[in-house]
Amino acid sequence: EVHLVESGGGLVQPGRSLRLSCTASGFTFDDYAMHWVRLVPGKGLEWVAGISWNSGSIGYADSVKGRSTISRDNAKNSLYLQVNSLRPEDTGVYYCAQDRGSYYSADFQHWGQGTLVTVSS
Amino acid sequence: QSVLTQPPSASGTPGQRVTISCSGSSSNIGDHTVNWYQQRPGTAPKLLLYNNVLGPSGVPDRFSGSKSGTSASLAISGLQSEDEGDYYCATWDNSLNGPVFGGGTKLTVL
Repeated sequence: EVHLVESGGGLVQPGRSLRLSCTASGFTFDDYAMHWVRLVPGKGLEWVAGISWNSGSIGYADSVKGRSTISRDNAKNSLYLQVNSLRPEDTGVYYCAQDRGSYYSADFQHWGQGTLVTVSS
Repeated sequence: QSVLTQPPSASGTPGQRVTISCSGSSSNIGDHTVNWYQQRPGTAPKLLLYNNVLGPSGVPDRFSGSKSGTSASLAISGLQSEDEGDYYCATWDNSLNGPVFGGGTKLTVL
């Protein structure tokens, strides 16, 4: 059974940084692309970033481009998201999601339970 | 403002059939397959349909999808109380070079 567990969320002041982690189990991690998707209050789901199986292809939403870095460590079955210069509009529940394929697409096959990030002073 | 347009709400009584629409453009739905996600209150999203019409193992065949041109729709037949939640369509967008979601439709079972 696929299991994705996010961690690293919390209350953060605007302008600060945050690093989210996702630990995967139940599947061959380095066979699949992975994503971060957030649920923004009152707005719905928003794709944040995606990374291919070998980190060779990476993409970001315009809302976080230039201040975020997605990465993975296949040896540790782990996915990460570093977000800098946090803004109040970054507030939301951040989900780790497994793609159906090796290169990131819009196919989010399995999801973690999410970690809440609140950006506020 | 989401790239894909969904009605904000839908409702039906138990046993009824409900449809949810998703409208896009030639750079997204018009050129790519559509996926649907269900998010029940307090839980993580779940893949409901992929490649327009296919349901992952475990998804009841009460859920069906279709696509025509730059629009797609999700149909739920034999509505049940457990179907309450938020439904999102998603696809790839060529202009944004990434996945995009609809704004979500809140389904209420009366």
